[in-house]
Amino acid sequence: GAVVSQHPSWVICKSGTSVKIECRSLDFQATTMFWYRQFPKQSLMLMATSNEGSKATYEQGVEKDKFLINHASLTLSTLTVTSAHPEDSSFYICSAPETAKAFFGQGTRLTVV
Amino acid sequence: DAKTTQPTSMDCAEGRAANLPCNHSTISGNEYVYWYRQIHSQGPQYIIHGLKNNETNEMASLIITEDRKSSTLILPHATLRDTAVYYCIVGKIQGAQKLVFGQGTRLTINP
Repeated sequence: GAVVSQHPSWVICKSGTSVKIECRSLDFQATTMFWYRQFPKQSLMLMATSNEGSKATYEQGVEKDKFLINHASLTLSTLTVTSAHPEDSSFYICSAPETAKAFFGQGTRLTVV
Repeated sequence: DAKTTQPTSMDCAEGRAANLPCNHSTISGNEYVYWYRQIHSQGPQYIIHGLKNNETNEMASLIITEDRKSSTLILPHATLRDTAVYYCIVGKIQGAQKLVFGQGTRLTINP
C-alpha cells in the first residue's frame, strides 16, 4: 500500500515555543491531506483538511491561528503548533488518500513542558 | 455520514477467528463500510472496505448483511499482533478519505 511518513515521531518543547510537524506521501501525490489529534484513551479527532495550493479547512472548534497548516507541494503538508502550551500535548496524526482509501502516518507525540 | 455502533471491547484466543461486529442502521445507498485498526501509539492502518458484497483480502474478510445495516470483520486466525483498536467507519467513496472516527472496539488477543 501507499506510504505516508511523519516527522518527527516525537518532540518535547517548552511552553510558548512553536513546533512543526511534517507529513509526506512517499510514493504518491496527495492534493488533500488530513490532520488528526488524539488524546490518551480517546479516539482520533479530525482537526483540519490540508489543500495543496490553497487554504486549509478547519473543523469547528479548532483554532486556525494556533494550528497553522501549509500544503506547499503534492507530497508535503506541515502542521505548526504555535505558542504551544501543555494542553496541546497530544498525538498528532496525518493521513492522505490514495485510490479511495486513507493512509496514515505513524503519528507525532508532542509533549509541551 | 452514517453513525456506527461497536462493542467497546472484545477478547479472542490466539489462533481462533476474531469476529468484530458493527451496526450502521442509517447507512445510505452510496456509503461504503470501511475498517481500520490502530495498534498502540501508531497511526491507523487500513484493513478492508465494501459496499454490499462480502469482501476478502490478505488481512481479513468483511461480511455485510443483505440490508446493509450491519457488518462483521473477520480475522480468520488471530495472532497477538492483531491486538488493537478496530474502527468501523461508514462514508461515501469520494469522501472516504476524510474519516470520522468513533470509539472503536478494543480487541485483545490472548495467548
